[in-house]
Amino acid sequence: DAGVTQSPTHLIKTRGQHVTLRCSPISGHKSVSWYQQVLGQGPQFIFQYYEKEERGRGNFPDRFSARQFPNYSSELNVNALLLGDSALYLCASSTGSGEAFFGQGTRLTVV
Amino acid sequence: SQQGEEDPQALSIQEGENATMNCSYKTSINNLQWYRQNSGRGFVHLILIRSNEREKHSGRLRVTLDTSKKSSSLLITASRAADTASYFCATDGRNYGQNFVFGPGTRLSVLP
Repeated sequence: DAGVTQSPTHLIKTRGQHVTLRCSPISGHKSVSWYQQVLGQGPQFIFQYYEKEERGRGNFPDRFSARQFPNYSSELNVNALLLGDSALYLCASSTGSGEAFFGQGTRLTVV
Repeated sequence: SQQGEEDPQALSIQEGENATMNCSYKTSINNLQWYRQNSGRGFVHLILIRSNEREKHSGRLRVTLDTSKKSSSLLITASRAADTASYFCATDGRNYGQNFVFGPGTRLSVLP
């Protein structure tokens, strides 16, 4: 059974561009959460989606948006990229409560 | 502000020794989970302990939870070089949301 898959694994973007990150949850999991991890820190919560509805939003600007599709996969979009958006973006999959399993992340570098 | 805070921030031990990491949090929780992150990438789920549990074991891992002190500890026994990683605790809120709050982590180095 496949784990949580994220794509791409690495990405380099220029300031001002936008980026779309993708996540496929574990089969049967209906909840997807997104986290940003800056080097040397713990992950920071961005969004949670459950059954295609937003269940939670962290303290991130409106440049960050996300959505969940009928197959429970999810996209995280970031517009008008800033240098400070450079980070590891992690996706977590769960049934909605209890154990959450993370993907390997997408390393975003903004230059 | 982050709710979970791991202590110590860094820990260096010899292979075979035990490693203990602590986590403190601020608000009521449903569950507390421990994760390991290798080489700044992969996040591996280690163990979940529910708010009504006090202790849980999984292999060489032992987790305790004290809700009155809002703290948890992770004990790794008979450590191995492969245990070298950063360890994070994550708490979720009473509303069963998956908006985990992570601390800055404990960086464990196990020397051969």
